[in-house]
Parts: sequence; structure tokens; C-alpha cells
Amino acid sequence: AQRVTQPEKLLSVFKGAPVELKCNYSYSGSPELFWYVQYSRQRLQLLLRHISRESIKGFTADLNKGETSFHLKKPFAQEEDSAMYYCALSPGGSQGNLIFGKGTKLSVKP
Amino acid sequence: EPEVTQTPSHQVTQMGQEVILRCVPISNHLYFYWYRQILGQKVEFLVSFYNNEISEKSEIFDDQFSVERPDGSNFTLKIRSTKLEDSAMYFCASSESGPYNEQFFGPGTRLTVL
Repeated sequence: AQRVTQPEKLLSVFKGAPVELKCNYSYSGSPELFWYVQYSRQRLQLLLRHISRESIKGFTADLNKGETSFHLKKPFAQEEDSAMYYCALSPGGSQGNLIFGKGTKLSVKP
Repeated sequence: EPEVTQTPSHQVTQMGQEVILRCVPISNHLYFYWYRQILGQKVEFLVSFYNNEISEKSEIFDDQFSVERPDGSNFTLKIRSTKLEDSAMYFCASSESGPYNEQFFGPGTRLTVL
């Protein structure tokens, strides 16, 4: 079955601390993986995707096929990073439909 | 910057009634999606739409659901006979070029079925 697991419901860190939001997936083929973010009172928006291999707002994510993980990392968290983060998978050969994890709420304290 | 819009922002209906949720995707986008999020649960895929037809649908998208693109701008989700368990936030999304590309989400419609 296709599944995305985000084990942490809430992650709280202090400003300047490193942050890692965990994401594991279950999929037999070659998925495309994404991180979407929802800031307070804003809509869901793309943060980054594996295929682009980019760093957005200081965040990076590395696909580890052996561990079936796509953890999101940032070396120094900022207060404005506080948001809900969703890991999502798009199955290969699909029309782009996304399978989401339950999300992790990141709270960055001053 | 162009955005996906959705109306209404909140819809309250009685069980058994039909509801139509409306979305206006970004104008040059070709792929359209509906998702829903029941309170406290994950965002779930319902259906994708391309070239004026459904391209994929999930198990949730049963005969009670239908989608339509009645004109060049609107994309609607109809629930024929609502149930209590249809209460959720419904998100519309669009993408310029489909698979593996960024989906742009609307703000959502909160559907409450009484």
C-alpha cells in the first residue's frame, strides 16, 4: 500500500537550533516526493520537491531509498518557520495525485 | 500573482442534500484536483481531471461524487446526497503540467453536514 508516515505530530525547537522533520514512505515503485507547508491562515503551498534538488528558505531534503525516507532539514530554525509541514508522495505513472502524511506542526520558540 | 479561488468558504447543509463546491483554477493550468481533509486527519486525494475527463480517482470518490468543468474557468465538485462523514475541508488544486509538478492549492471550502 502507498503510505506516507510523519511520526511527529508536533516538533518544538528554539530559534537557531537545527530542525529535522521526519518522513518515511511506503511505495514499491519510484515515487516523486514533496514537502508542502501551511503557514498560519495561509493556503497549502509547495516548499520543495525531490526532483528539483533545491534548497528553499534554507530547507533541504534528501531521498534515502534504502531507508525509504525523505526527511526535511534546516540547520538554523527561524521563528517564521513555524508552520504545519506535510510530506507527500506522487506515485510513478500517476497524473500527479498526492498522498499526504498527517503533517508535523513545527513551533520555533524565540 | 494568480491564485486558485474556491467558493463558498464555508457551506452548511443538511444530510441528504446536494452540494456543489466551486473552484476557479489558475487560468493556464491543465490539471485539476480535489482533496479533502477531515478534521484531525490527513489530506486525502479524491480525484484528478485532465483534458475534460477524470484521469484518476480514489476509493473515496464513489458514485455520490462528480466533477465538472462546465466552462473555461470553473471546476466543480458535486456531492449528490451528503452524509455526516462528508464533513471536511475540501481543497481544489491545479497544476500547469501535471505529474511531478507543483500543485497550487485553493484556500478550501469547509463543508459541514448536519
